[in-house]
Amino acid sequence: SQQGEEDPQALSIQEGENATMNCSYKTSINNLQWYRQNSGRGLVHLILIRSNEREKHSGRLRVTLDTSKKSSSLLITASRAADTASYFCATPVVSGAGSYQLTFGKGTKLSVIP
Amino acid sequence: EAGVVQSPRYKIIEKKQPVAFWCNPISGHNTLYWYLQNLGQGPELLIRYENEEAVDDSQLPKDRFSAERLKGVDSTLKIQPAELGDSAVYLCASSPTYLTYNEQFFGPGTRLTVL
Repeated sequence: SQQGEEDPQALSIQEGENATMNCSYKTSINNLQWYRQNSGRGLVHLILIRSNEREKHSGRLRVTLDTSKKSSSLLITASRAADTASYFCATPVVSGAGSYQLTFGKGTKLSVIP
Repeated sequence: EAGVVQSPRYKIIEKKQPVAFWCNPISGHNTLYWYLQNLGQGPELLIRYENEEAVDDSQLPKDRFSAERLKGVDSTLKIQPAELGDSAVYLCASSPTYLTYNEQFFGPGTRLTVL
């Protein structure tokens, strides 16, 4: 079952604008990760935020985490056409085998129009 | 440094046929994962290996799916027989060790179409 859920499902913006994607999850976590997937390619890790962190930056990316609301947001500033991709949040959840597994949401499909 | 390698990239088969996917993880990565990704969905874990041991296969449909990682390096995922509903992208990923804080490195995936 999926732990995280991204919102919106799809987002279309003009190049240079900022893009914000949100992720809500159900159970307590010790970290949350964001991944990007370009069309026809595997996923690429973008950033990890730990449960004791509220905000983290990496280049044009800004991630926030609100554990009280069980939500996270990913902000991409000054977007470029190359940012066009699907973005997934991923959280560790205890699996049926009793170990942690990374579970992904359905993703937000971002289109950046040149 | 080479990334995770998967082959083939695309596979088209008829239902009831067998199919196998191969993955070579990043050198030195002890943990290897196989994921299934349906269209419009996020990846879902099928199996996780620590070296050659399958330590989490709770979501692997064992009646038709099997996997192996004999020498603790490359891995093969097999489906026999394939069903129409198996059409999806099969992703392999690896990480240095199994820690929830570890970044997972994904291969490009194998897109399977079952006719």
